[in-house]
Amino acid sequence: DTEVTQTPKHLVMGMTNKKSLKCEQHMGHRAMYWYKQKAKKPPELMFVYSYEKLSINESVPSRFSPECPNSSLLNLHLHALQPEDSALYLCASSQDNYQPQHFGDGTRLSIL
Amino acid sequence: GENVEQHPSTLSVQEGDSAVIKCTYSDSASNYFPWYKQELGKRPQLIIDIRSNVGEKKDQRIAVTLNKTAKHFSLHITETQPEDSAVYFCAASSQGTSYGKLTFGQGTILTVHP
Repeated sequence: DTEVTQTPKHLVMGMTNKKSLKCEQHMGHRAMYWYKQKAKKPPELMFVYSYEKLSINESVPSRFSPECPNSSLLNLHLHALQPEDSALYLCASSQDNYQPQHFGDGTRLSIL
Repeated sequence: GENVEQHPSTLSVQEGDSAVIKCTYSDSASNYFPWYKQELGKRPQLIIDIRSNVGEKKDQRIAVTLNKTAKHFSLHITETQPEDSAVYFCAASSQGTSYGKLTFGQGTILTVHP
């Protein structure tokens, strides 16, 4: 079964905090993605990593900083976020960029 | 860039009826079309997908059809059950040129009444 694991499940942070979201998969997938999803809206692509290299940055503000330390792990570093950044952050992975994407359960982020 | 429109935004059916959700896309280079089901508070789950070299694909009660000429594709669910109630998202991608970037439709809230 496909499995993408995201931690933490919930995160509450102040606007001056620094935190990180983590995404892990052990399926040998070489493409990984970060999405942001607001309530009752579709996922919006933020970043795409292909073979551990950043392939797409959808003009995301610099307060979001992605990192791919190895082929199984994807991080999203957060700093000085705004209340409008409160959302569900989803990670997805696929065998490569041409194969179906499978999502994790997401991290529900609230900015105070 | 790609634009995907999805209709209807809400769909209510009785258990056992069929449900059809339609999407249109703008980029003729799009060649991959997945459908995701998202239950409340859960992850989007891939339920079926189709590539542009086929016109129809079926998996038990779910089928997807693709009309490349008209640039639209549809999800068909037969013999609906209450557990089919969820938000359904269509998406389109130009695989080979876009690093797997998916453009999603706005979603359809499907409610199946027992």
